[in-house]
Amino acid sequence: ELKVEQNPLFLSMQEGKNYTIYCNYSTTSDRLYWYRQDPGKSLESLFVLLSNGAVKQEGRLMASLDTKARLSTLHITAAVHDLSATYFCAVEPTPLVFGKGTRLSVIA
Amino acid sequence: NAGVMQNPRHLVRRRGQEARLRCSPMKGHSHVYWYRQLPEEGLKFMVYLQKENIIDESGMPKERFSAEFPKEGPSILRIQQVVRGDSAAYFCASSPTRGPRLTQHFGDGTRLSIL
Repeated sequence: ELKVEQNPLFLSMQEGKNYTIYCNYSTTSDRLYWYRQDPGKSLESLFVLLSNGAVKQEGRLMASLDTKARLSTLHITAAVHDLSATYFCAVEPTPLVFGKGTRLSVIA
Repeated sequence: NAGVMQNPRHLVRRRGQEARLRCSPMKGHSHVYWYRQLPEEGLKFMVYLQKENIIDESGMPKERFSAEFPKEGPSILRIQQVVRGDSAAYFCASSPTRGPRLTQHFGDGTRLSIL
């Protein structure tokens, strides 16, 4: 059974700081997703990572995938308040298996 | 080009009643997935359907829950004799008919509250 673990589950960080969220998964998979969810809202797709060594960047967020280590990271650079949300990683095969999420709060 | 449409957005039921949640996939999508999200948790897969077929229902509770995706109309997730533990957000996602299964597109969810 595929298990997906995220850490940390809660993260409070100051504006302007950098931090990394980790996503480990237990069995082979070659497709990993990162989603953002604001309170009471749906999931917004951030990144799809399809192969070992894949790196994608959008604004202050950068995601990478190491399929050998079964690890993905979501790196936040110079955090701003607007990044406050819950971030989920999810792993295929279909159906998706989600981590529990990392609740990020960016404070001034 | 409308996205995945779910209704109602909020649904309140008393214990023992039935809840019906609807999901219309994106245009051209014929794969539908239902997920449940308990408070402070990630999404958990429930069921995967294509038109008129249940492909994978390994995440569905054995009793009281059922899903369908008829030839015409939306996909329906039905919960009979609801209990307090059914309170959750239920999300539907869809993916394209052809080609590799790309990113699932999620609806805004139905928040079910059981009194």
